[in-house]
Amino acid sequence: DGGITQSPKYLFRKEGQNVTLSCEQNLNHDAMYWYRQDPGQGLRLIYYSQIVNDFQKGDIAEGYSVSREKKESFPLTVTSAQKNPTAFYLCASGRSSGSTDTQYFGPGTRLTVL
Amino acid sequence: AQKITQTQPGMFVQEKEAVTLDCTYDTSDPSYGLFWYKQPSSGEMIFLIYQGSYDQQNATEGRYSLNFQKARKSANLVISASQLGDSAMYFCAMRRVTGGGNKLTFGTGTQLKVEL
Repeated sequence: DGGITQSPKYLFRKEGQNVTLSCEQNLNHDAMYWYRQDPGQGLRLIYYSQIVNDFQKGDIAEGYSVSREKKESFPLTVTSAQKNPTAFYLCASGRSSGSTDTQYFGPGTRLTVL
Repeated sequence: AQKITQTQPGMFVQEKEAVTLDCTYDTSDPSYGLFWYKQPSSGEMIFLIYQGSYDQQNATEGRYSLNFQKARKSANLVISASQLGDSAMYFCAMRRVTGGGNKLTFGTGTQLKVEL
């Protein structure tokens, strides 16, 4: 089946630890995105990548890092510098060109800092 | 800067009735796209419908239609014949053109509850 997978579904972290969230897609999409969702809020863009080996900061990139070594994978690292990391994290992918480009989302990872 | 406003934090509708979820937007871009997503309690965002700023006709996808009024900068989602499975959070989003990429700006969402 084609789609986007995220792992783990739930993640617990102690303060001061870095954690990496996985995002994989087999839709052959060029572009991938990471969003953060807080309770009662919409999604906010953390990072995005339009092609392999290239990525740009979104609106709330501080305290996060990403890599894009393969077209299928776009892992997100939440570093200890992120002041309030507890949130729901959603990964998305889409074709990078065209005004009708739709982003398709994975099931999300819920991160809790203990 | 682009902005999406959803003024209805929660809505109730009876099964089989139609419901309209409001969305207004603000942008200075001449070309933009508007999306609606559904987020059930499981958390996954499900794409519902898309409207381009230059599209002459309102978009429709099955029971979903988008009431696009460009002059009023509104893009309301209409769900016809509501079903219990439609109970979820609904987000309006706008594609940003400036700055490169295909970035989306989201509203704060509307929680829809379908009742018997």
